[in-house]
Amino acid sequence: AQSVTQPDIHITVSEGASLELRCNYSYGATPYLFWYVQSPGQGLQLLLKYFSGDTLVQGIKGFEAEFKRSQSSFNLRKPSVHWSDAAEYFCAVTTSTSGTYKYIFGTGTRLKVLA
Amino acid sequence: GAGVSQSPSNKVTEKGKDVELRCDPISGHTALYWYRQRLGQGLEFLIYFQGNSAPDKSGLPSDRFSAERTGESVSTLTIQRTQQEDSAVYLCASSPSLAGSYEQYFGPGTRLTVT
Repeated sequence: AQSVTQPDIHITVSEGASLELRCNYSYGATPYLFWYVQSPGQGLQLLLKYFSGDTLVQGIKGFEAEFKRSQSSFNLRKPSVHWSDAAEYFCAVTTSTSGTYKYIFGTGTRLKVLA
Repeated sequence: GAGVSQSPSNKVTEKGKDVELRCDPISGHTALYWYRQRLGQGLEFLIYFQGNSAPDKSGLPSDRFSAERTGESVSTLTIQRTQQEDSAVYLCASSPSLAGSYEQYFGPGTRLTVT
């Protein structure tokens, strides 16, 4: 069965430090991949997405992610974290089963930023 | 334009009562999804609507849960005989198309507390 794994439940970084959030997926074909952010009390907001082409995709708020087919990974990165980045981050993949598209979300990584 | 809206934002109900949650998707979005997010956990897929096709109900946890959608507009999620384990945030999302390449636009959620 298709799955998305975010191995880090919590991550703490200092403001200004670099960040990498891990995401691994299990899917036979090339999936559509997404990263969403959920700030406290808010709905989810799309950071970036990958469909095809350049494996390094740029998103909003200075985030980027790299699709690595050989590793079945789609890790999210940011060179310098800001205090406002503290939130929960979800990796997601869409799969197609009999023509319907179901989004599968990882369990999330909660980011804490130290001043 | 307006985003996805959900009502109520908060609902407290007694165990055994029925509740109805509402979702207004973005106008023109043909796909609509319901998710459940328990405290500190990821998103759990519940049900998916796409146009006039039969909904994908594979994620509904029990027959106490049901959902309807009128055409490509409002959707309601009904939970009958609520149980304490139903306490969660219920998120609705809409998407422009059946194609998996489209991101989902999330509403702010309804926080359900069953006492």
